[in-house]
Amino acid sequence: EIVLTQSPGTLSLSPGERATLSCRASQSIDSRYLAWYQQKPGQAPRFLIFGASSRATGIPDRFSGSGSGTDFTLTISRLEPEDFAVYYCQQYGKSPRTFGPGTKVEIK
Amino acid sequence: QVQLQESGPRLVKPSGTLSLNCALSGGSISGSNWWTWVRQPPGKGLEWIGEIYHSGQTNYNPSLSSRVTISVDKSKNHFSLKVNSVTAADTAVYFCGSAGYYDVWSGLLHDAVNVWGQGTEVTVSS
Repeated sequence: EIVLTQSPGTLSLSPGERATLSCRASQSIDSRYLAWYQQKPGQAPRFLIFGASSRATGIPDRFSGSGSGTDFTLTISRLEPEDFAVYYCQQYGKSPRTFGPGTKVEIK
Repeated sequence: QVQLQESGPRLVKPSGTLSLNCALSGGSISGSNWWTWVRQPPGKGLEWIGEIYHSGQTNYNPSLSSRVTISVDKSKNHFSLKVNSVTAADTAVYFCGSAGYYDVWSGLLHDAVNVWGQGTEVTVSS
């Protein structure tokens, strides 16, 4: 099983600032199979990024993904009020298709 | 646009069986998607439970595989989750999802969960 670790656990930032979230895998992942999701309280996750760096339909371009091997990054270039949420990475190349524990982006 | 809706009992007794259905609208259960179940215990992160293809092929999380069954009913256009021998640790919000995002640029189908149900909260308690 591929274990994903996310850091930091919580990121305290102000609107307009840049957010950099990390996802590290216990073994190398084909970057085609790394996704990011956003989840707000009481809601289902929202699909953001696939293939490590491609935005899903309708996702603003302030969201970008990068990385390869075992280290991946989600960057939010300028935080909007609606971006404060929990973000999860997921590898979907091998079963079980594991999620990371999440990073909470909170308002400073 | 595919939409998913979970249904089933919200309260299950310890040692009993948790049973949920996920109804699909706006698409066919026979499409090129993995029909997925994910759960989220209160205040915790997402846990992938397992998935099924319309052919009946399944993949399960090894941590749950001895207690979990996922099935598909093509005639009803829905898929289902059963978890046996439940305990309080199975209390969670259960999400169904569709994993199968087609990237028009590369022509590849990505098995990330691109469509989610709203989730249903299930409590295990006597």
